[in-house]
Amino acid sequence: DAKTTQPTSMDCAEGRAANLPCNHSTISGNEYVYWYRQIHSQGPQYIIHGLKNNETNEMASLIITEDRKSSTLILPHATLRDTAVYYCIVYNQGGKLIFGQGTELSVKP
Amino acid sequence: DAGVTQSPTHLIKTRGQQVTLRCSPKSGHDTVSWYQQALGQGPQFIFQYYEEEERQRGNFPDRFSGHQFPNYSSELNVNALLLGDSALYLCASSQLFLGRLETQYFGPGTRLLVL
Repeated sequence: DAKTTQPTSMDCAEGRAANLPCNHSTISGNEYVYWYRQIHSQGPQYIIHGLKNNETNEMASLIITEDRKSSTLILPHATLRDTAVYYCIVYNQGGKLIFGQGTELSVKP
Repeated sequence: DAGVTQSPTHLIKTRGQQVTLRCSPKSGHDTVSWYQQALGQGPQFIFQYYEEEERQRGNFPDRFSGHQFPNYSSELNVNALLLGDSALYLCASSQLFLGRLETQYFGPGTRLLVL
């Protein structure tokens, strides 16, 4: 079973920041938080990952709480092309990724 | 860099037939994982190959088998196809470094329809 809990769906206005929450209260010390997204019928796309510290790359920012029990993926200026299912995954870099249901993000004009 | 590639993109088979799907990993990657994604569900791990050996396996029957070649490319074989095998089959590649599997990058998938 997935070790994360995410809202089923969210809406965001185009040009605004999209903040996608994820709860992972049972995360272990050696487990990373990974985010992928999947645009309809395509392969999942890697977005970002982190262990303890906040991370930023050209796609998004990842904010991890100090107790590491939750995190937020931030897309700073959402566009229509960001409409996708977003998966938050707790991963110990041991092998398999365990996907949950993800959050279906709809960016609206 | 072409990224992870998969072939074919789409495939239609009938029940009882056998199918082979192919994956070429991203340049520099040595590990290939296969996932099955049924409609409306998240991907589920089938198995993973490293150094031409099956390194890990998910909860899939023996009808699902695989192979990795010396150039790190991989095949997924499914025998005695069932209607329930209809799904998007995803390949992900990564690099094993000091016992840790780094970020997995996915290909576009092969859509299999079993009639």
